Amino acid sequence: DSGVTQTPKHLITATGQRVTLRCSPRSGDLSVYWYQQSLDQGLQFLIQYYNGEERAKGNILERFSAQQFPDLHSELNLSSLELGDSALYFCASSPGTNTEAFFGQGTRLTVV
Amino acid sequence: AQSVAQPEDQVNVAEGNPLTVKCTYSVSGNPYLFWYVQYPNRGLQFLLKYITGDNLVKGSYGFEAEFNKSQTSFHLKKPSALVSDSALYFCAVRDIEDSNYQLIWGAGTKLIIKP
Repeated sequence: DSGVTQTPKHLITATGQRVTLRCSPRSGDLSVYWYQQSLDQGLQFLIQYYNGEERAKGNILERFSAQQFPDLHSELNLSSLELGDSALYFCASSPGTNTEAFFGQGTRLTVV
Repeated sequence: AQSVAQPEDQVNVAEGNPLTVKCTYSVSGNPYLFWYVQYPNRGLQFLLKYITGDNLVKGSYGFEAEFNKSQTSFHLKKPSALVSDSALYFCAVRDIEDSNYQLIWGAGTKLIIKP
């Protein structure tokens, strides 16, 4: 158990819908990262927050948005969903600079 | 620009043989280097890291990695492979100078250990 909690574990929804994925980082970790992993694909970095502020953006679509709340949990909002958005979405957290990131178990999103 | 390359999409090794999964990196400053493993339908698990000090780093499950600054490499190794080592392996780098603490990831290498 990495200490990073993601909910829900599985999500099935229809095209055009909107979903929210939630991440609770390890206690004390200030950085939260969101990643997308499609079938047979590597990790695609989406966005990073540090202590409530957006720090870096990767290949995140305009239909996607995220935020980190004062209690440091984070949410990833995916809207106008398309079939191609079906993937595993991972959240990871880290306390700072020279430490590893700890990953949650992921949310498997299936868009039908 | 920072980058990580894992030149092999897949590595096949017989059980009991030594294994190597390759990783090279490019950062403007000094690197922090990491290896992760992903089993099917699971999150990534941390294996080992190089921050500073001894170039040979030992990690979980008998894995080790050697930091080579001149070759900008951080290859993952294990003296004797197990079938249970079969998984997807990711190398990642962080530039010490990067105040955003961003991790740059390789594309992953699928390791298959055959009995």
